Amino acid sequence: DAGVIQSPRHEVTEMGQEVTLRCKPISGHNSLFWYRQTMMRGLELLIYFNNNVPIDDSGMPEDRFSAKMPNASFSTLKIQPSEPRDSAVYFCASTRWLVPANTGELFFGEGSRLTVL
Amino acid sequence: GDSVTQMEGPVTLSEEAFLTINCTYTATGYPSLFWYVQYPGEGLQLLLKATKADDKGSNKGFEATYRKETTSFHLEKGSVQVSDSAVYFCALSVWAGTASKLTFGTGTRLQVTL
Repeated sequence: DAGVIQSPRHEVTEMGQEVTLRCKPISGHNSLFWYRQTMMRGLELLIYFNNNVPIDDSGMPEDRFSAKMPNASFSTLKIQPSEPRDSAVYFCASTRWLVPANTGELFFGEGSRLTVL
Repeated sequence: GDSVTQMEGPVTLSEEAFLTINCTYTATGYPSLFWYVQYPGEGLQLLLKATKADDKGSNKGFEATYRKETTSFHLEKGSVQVSDSAVYFCALSVWAGTASKLTFGTGTRLQVTL
């Protein structure tokens, strides 16, 4: 079975450019998460969706960041304009939550490494 | 808010040594607890989990016991291998009525040498 698929795996761009990261969750999963990982701050939850609806975006650093999930099989994380401090590895993860149990396992993609020059 | 505190790394051990990585948590509800592992260049993957007090999660020789009285979930392995070198994350999950989200610790890097 295919896991969580992220693209691109690596992105190098210049400050001020728009960056779009893409994620295809595992089929049948109804929750999707975007995380950012840096050496300084570790793993940070940016936003998560349940049944394509954003539930908590309190981790989105600022208005330059936006995320969408137009359908159950696709999500994007966009940064516009990008800045050098956005350089990080961005992970997408998905799971199928069982109401009301909270024992779900997150399945992570391999990440998108972003470098903003 | 919910939080996870785990020991700072890196932890460097010789092969076949005993491993302990400490993890304590703070949660407003009654959480499930997890250990995730991240190998170089990869995403995180679940190593083990425990959903209620006194449960013991185990996998690949690793184990951790959910201790509600000490709010801890320490990871242990009796004999580490070079292939165990990775970053280990402790995490908790609390049901929030519509969904759950994982709160991760900062990660502990383990380096095992021959």
